[in-house]
Amino acid sequence: AQSVTQLDSQVPVFEEAPVELRCNYSSSVSVYLFWYVQYPNQGLQLLLKYLSGSTLVKGINGFEAEFNKSQTSFHLRKPSVHISDTAEYFCAVSGAAGNKLTFGGGTRVLVKP
Amino acid sequence: GAGVSQTPSNKVTEKGKYVELRCDPISGHTALYWYRQSLGQGPEFLIYFQGTGAADDSGLPNDRFFAVRPEGSVSTLKIQRTERGDSAVYLCASSLMDGHGETQYFGPGTRLLVL
Repeated sequence: AQSVTQLDSQVPVFEEAPVELRCNYSSSVSVYLFWYVQYPNQGLQLLLKYLSGSTLVKGINGFEAEFNKSQTSFHLRKPSVHISDTAEYFCAVSGAAGNKLTFGGGTRVLVKP
Repeated sequence: GAGVSQTPSNKVTEKGKYVELRCDPISGHTALYWYRQSLGQGPEFLIYFQGTGAADDSGLPNDRFFAVRPEGSVSTLKIQRTERGDSAVYLCASSLMDGHGETQYFGPGTRLLVL
């Protein structure tokens, strides 16, 4: 079985400050890792994904994530956030049982002016 | 182009009633997924279709839940004898293929409230 843990349920951050959202996973097989963002009253949108190759993955809206196999982590970062980054962020994994996604509980980011 | 659409956007029903939730995937996408998102939680997998057949229904919570995709495009999630615990946002996603790591594109969801 595979599982995903997002260690922070809420992260308040000031505008233009950096942010890091933590994600740890467990799986007995190789996995594919994803970060999705959910804006209020909208569907999930893919930010970035790791399939193989370089462990540093760049996504949309200035986000990036680093895959660390030894620590089974896939933390998401942005060097300078905007008010518009206020949203809920979900880390997800697939691979152990087909292409279905297993999601973490989500991290709510609130960007303050 | 058009994304994944879901109807209705909101559904209020009474305990014991039957409901149908519809998903229109992106044209040409062969794989279709249903997830359920309860308040304050991440989405949980329900069922996955490759073409017309359910390739994995291991996430369906019990036999009150059923889903079909008769022509390999539109899918309907059916819930019989609804219970208050079924209240959640039901998300549909589609992907071009069912290969590992394939990006899933999500619809806006149907918010179901069982009174």
